Amino acid sequence: EAGVVQSPRYKIIEKKQPVAFWCNPISGHNTLYWYRQNLGQGPELLIRYENEEAVDDSQLPKDRFSAERLKGVDSTLKIQPAELGDSAVYLCASSRSGGNTEAFFGQGTRLTVV
Amino acid sequence: QKEVEQNSGPLSVPEGAIASLNCTYSDRGSQSFFWYRQYSGKSPELIMFIYSNGDKEDGRFTAQLNKASQYVSLLIRDSQPSDSATYLCAVNGNSGYALNFGKGTSLLVTP
Repeated sequence: EAGVVQSPRYKIIEKKQPVAFWCNPISGHNTLYWYRQNLGQGPELLIRYENEEAVDDSQLPKDRFSAERLKGVDSTLKIQPAELGDSAVYLCASSRSGGNTEAFFGQGTRLTVV
Repeated sequence: QKEVEQNSGPLSVPEGAIASLNCTYSDRGSQSFFWYRQYSGKSPELIMFIYSNGDKEDGRFTAQLNKASQYVSLLIRDSQPSDSATYLCAVNGNSGYALNFGKGTSLLVTP
């Protein structure tokens, strides 16, 4: 079974530029998460999808961040414009729907804003 | 904000010893608990999950849950240098299904 696939693995951009990250979850996983992880910290939830519906986006900085999961499968996270403080690893995870289900992570995208 | 607390470490244990990693959480309604291992530069990898009070064993790993004390731990028996990593505790809150992570404990197993 293929795991969660993310691209790109690395991205370096100048501040104020836009950037987008893509995620394809494990087949059959209806729940998709985007997390951000800063160095030395645990992952922090940005947004959670149940199928195509964003059910928890309270931690998403909506002035510059947006996300979509149009067909309930793959998802895109966008930042526009990027700021220096956005430098982090952006992790996508997926799980089966419902509580008490394990989440599996992709390899992440390491973003550096210069 | 629901809190998940872990000692950042580093926790250093000799090879072959038992490593004990601890985690406390603030949301009394939490229902499921996960341990992830994260090697430097890699993404978190699920190693254990536990839903009920008591112990759950899987190979060299044992997860322990005490909901009354809001405490979950991970024991690693016969620790190996390859176990050296950061261990993240994650809790699934009562209000939804997004995992809330602690900051992780760095484990170093010395030969």
